[in-house]
Formats: sequence, C-alpha cells, structure tokens
Amino acid sequence: EDKVVQSPLSLVVHEGDTVTLNCSYEVTNFRSLLWYKQEKKAPTFLFMLTSSGIEKKSGRLSSILDKKELSSILNITATQTGDSAIYLCVSSDSWGKLQFGAGTQVVVTP
Amino acid sequence: DAGVTQSPTHLIKTRGQQVTLRCSPISGHKSVSWYQQVLGQGPQFIFQYYEKEERGRGNFPDRFSARQFPNYSSELNVNALLLGDSALYLCASSFGLAVQFFGPGTRLTVL
Repeated sequence: EDKVVQSPLSLVVHEGDTVTLNCSYEVTNFRSLLWYKQEKKAPTFLFMLTSSGIEKKSGRLSSILDKKELSSILNITATQTGDSAIYLCVSSDSWGKLQFGAGTQVVVTP
Repeated sequence: DAGVTQSPTHLIKTRGQQVTLRCSPISGHKSVSWYQQVLGQGPQFIFQYYEKEERGRGNFPDRFSARQFPNYSSELNVNALLLGDSALYLCASSFGLAVQFFGPGTRLTVL
C-alpha cells in the first residue's frame, strides 16, 4: 500500500528561525513529489519535484528530492508568522493519483 | 482567471440523507479529482475523472459516486450519510496529469 510519512507532525518556532520538514514515501509507479501549504481550506501548490538532487527555490522556501532515499525535505528560512500553516507532502503516481501525508503543522510565534 | 470553485461552502445533513457536492474546474482543465479531509489528517483520494471518464477510485464505499459533465464540471454524491462522513471535501483540477489546483472545499457536517 502506498504511503507518505511526514515528520515532525507539528512544531513551534520563533520568527526568524529556520525550519526543516521531512517527508518519506513508498509509492508504486512514483512520478513526482509535491509540497502544498494549507492555511484554512484549499491547499496551495508550492513545489513539484521530479528529479533527484535538484533544489527548487521560491523566496525563503526550498525543497529537494532524494529518490535513492525515497525522501524529500522542505526548508523555510527566516520564518514569518505568515508561514504558520499545515505543510502537506504529496506523492503523484504515473496516473496522477495523489497520496497525501498527514501534514506538518508549523506555528511561527512573534 | 477564476480558480477551482465548489458549492456549497457549508452543508449540514442528518444521518441517512443524501448529499451532492459540485465543482467547477479551472478553465481548460480536463481532469477533476475529489478528496476527503478529516480533521487532523491529510486529504484522502476518492475519485479522479479525466475527459468524463473515471480514471481512479480510492478506498471508499459504494455510497460515494461521482460524475464529470461535458463542460468538465463534476459532482460528488454521497448516499446514506454516516456521522463519519463529516469532513472537508476538496475538489482539484489539473491539465492532464500536471499539478492539481484545489478549490476551497465544502465542509459537510452530518448530525
């Protein structure tokens, strides 16, 4: 059975800290790994990773995929209160079916 | 451009009733997927439709059904509602098998 596991499940940090979120996956017919941010309702797309070892960056967020270790990390540097959210790690198979992890709840305190 | 839209926003039903949730994809997107998100968990895959045909079904009972219309909008139907069906139901659309974009969801409460 396909599964995606995220750690930690939650964490609290102070503004300005750096956060590293972990994701491991076991997925048949794996095609890509995605990260979404969920604040209230709709998850919003952050990154899609298909190649191992190539870092993707968007502002203070970055992510990388390790296909050998079947894992990915999402980094957030210089955190701000607006980064408080649930971060979802998601695998996509060759049919485009998404398998979500349980999410990591990040709370950034002023 | 409008994103994925869903209706209604909130819904309250009683056990045993039936419910229909609606989703309109982003213009040009031909694939629609449905997910159930229970509080504290990640979304669980229910259905995927592409070009009006079912492409995938998650581990949900037959009480759950869906369809996609010629304009690519979609409906999710749930019959004989149970308390455990209370959840946020998310619809996502994509162009083919590319990144899926999510709607705001429908919050279903079953009493």
